[in-house]
Amino acid sequence: IAGITQAPTSQILAAGRRMTLRCTQDMRHNAMYWYRQDLGLGLRLIHYSNTAGTTGKGEVPDGYSVSRANTDDFPLTLASAVPSQTSVYFCASRPSPGGGYGYTFGSGTRLTVV
Amino acid sequence: SQQGEEDPQALSIQEGENATMNCSYKTSINNLQWYRQNSGRGLVHLILIRSNEREKHSGRLRVTLDTSKKSSSLLITASRAADTASYFCATDSFQGAQKLVFGQGTRLTINP
Repeated sequence: IAGITQAPTSQILAAGRRMTLRCTQDMRHNAMYWYRQDLGLGLRLIHYSNTAGTTGKGEVPDGYSVSRANTDDFPLTLASAVPSQTSVYFCASRPSPGGGYGYTFGSGTRLTVV
Repeated sequence: SQQGEEDPQALSIQEGENATMNCSYKTSINNLQWYRQNSGRGLVHLILIRSNEREKHSGRLRVTLDTSKKSSSLLITASRAADTASYFCATDSFQGAQKLVFGQGTRLTINP
């Protein structure tokens, strides 16, 4: 089934540890995004990639890094986790950054930093 | 920064009634989109309306857009229990990196 796969589904992580959230899509979409969702704050953009080989910072990029080595994969790395990074993380994609397309979302990763 | 702001934050109605949710935004847009999120799940794209459109329909959904007032509404007719979810508007602007900016959502509860 075409779509976005995120892994892990959930994780409890000790503060200070490094963690990579995985995101893979099989739709050959050029644009990919990472959002975090927190109660009362909606979805906030962390990083994005308009095409393979390029990335950009979103609204809340501090403490996170991304890479886009190929079209399908867009991992999000927390270099040294802090409790404020406790959140639900969603990866999304669309065919291109422009052109009026909607997003396809993954099912999310629930991360708890303790 | 939040571009879209939904109103109300929460809405509870009886099954069969119509549900209306509103979204206001601040800057010029290319299009506005509505998404649904069931509890604990990813968001699902419902409908997209372009800045040169005023109204759009999809099944039981009707979306309006008033660019002069920078506002949009989502109407769900003949609501069902399965419509219980959170609904988000998202704006797609001409500026910057062309990514969606989401509002905080409306929590809709349909009572049987």
